[in-house]
Amino acid sequence: EVQLVESGGGLVKPGGSLRLSCAASGFTFSSYSMNWVRQAPGKGLEWVSSISSSSSYIYYADSVKGRFTISRDNAKNSLYLQMNSLRAEDTAVYYCARDEGQLVYWGQGTLVTVSS
Amino acid sequence: DIQMTQSPSSLSASVGDRVTITCQASQDISNYLNWYQQKPGKAPKLLIYDASNLETGVPSRFSGSGSGTDFTFTISSLQPEDIATYYCQQYDNLLPYTFGQGTKLEIK
Repeated sequence: EVQLVESGGGLVKPGGSLRLSCAASGFTFSSYSMNWVRQAPGKGLEWVSSISSSSSYIYYADSVKGRFTISRDNAKNSLYLQMNSLRAEDTAVYYCARDEGQLVYWGQGTLVTVSS
Repeated sequence: DIQMTQSPSSLSASVGDRVTITCQASQDISNYLNWYQQKPGKAPKLLIYDASNLETGVPSRFSGSGSGTDFTFTISSLQPEDIATYYCQQYDNLLPYTFGQGTKLEIK
């Protein structure tokens, strides 16, 4: 059974940093591109970042470019999102999702709250 | 970036009604269009991929159609468990993926 489990969310002050993790199981993690998608409270879905299976290709939404860094460790079946210079507008539930063009498998999400 | 315009933003319908949601892309995306269902507090669930293909295990009352720039999502007979927010998502030309604004479906 495919499982994606996010962790690392929490309350952080504006300008602070946080590192999210996504632990994958039930499939060959190293064969798939992975994504982070976020959802602000009461709002719609926003794609954040994507990383190819071997980390050769990395993409970011303009809203996070230069502040967020996506990475992965295929030996540990894990995906990461390093978030720096956080802003109030980064407050959201962050989901990791396996990429097949369509996003079939999602984690349960982890809440990031940026507030003083 | 490709923009997705989804309508309506909210919809109230009765059990048994036929429900239709539309999504328009800002440029031709062929059939690279997916539809998701999201219930409160849950992750989105893929219902339709490549515009018209039903994901495994999804009830046949859900369907999708369209190509190019105009797409339609239909629930043929609304059930109480279908109350959710629905999103379209394009993946033409790879990234960035973009989602429609969402349609919140309620029971009348």
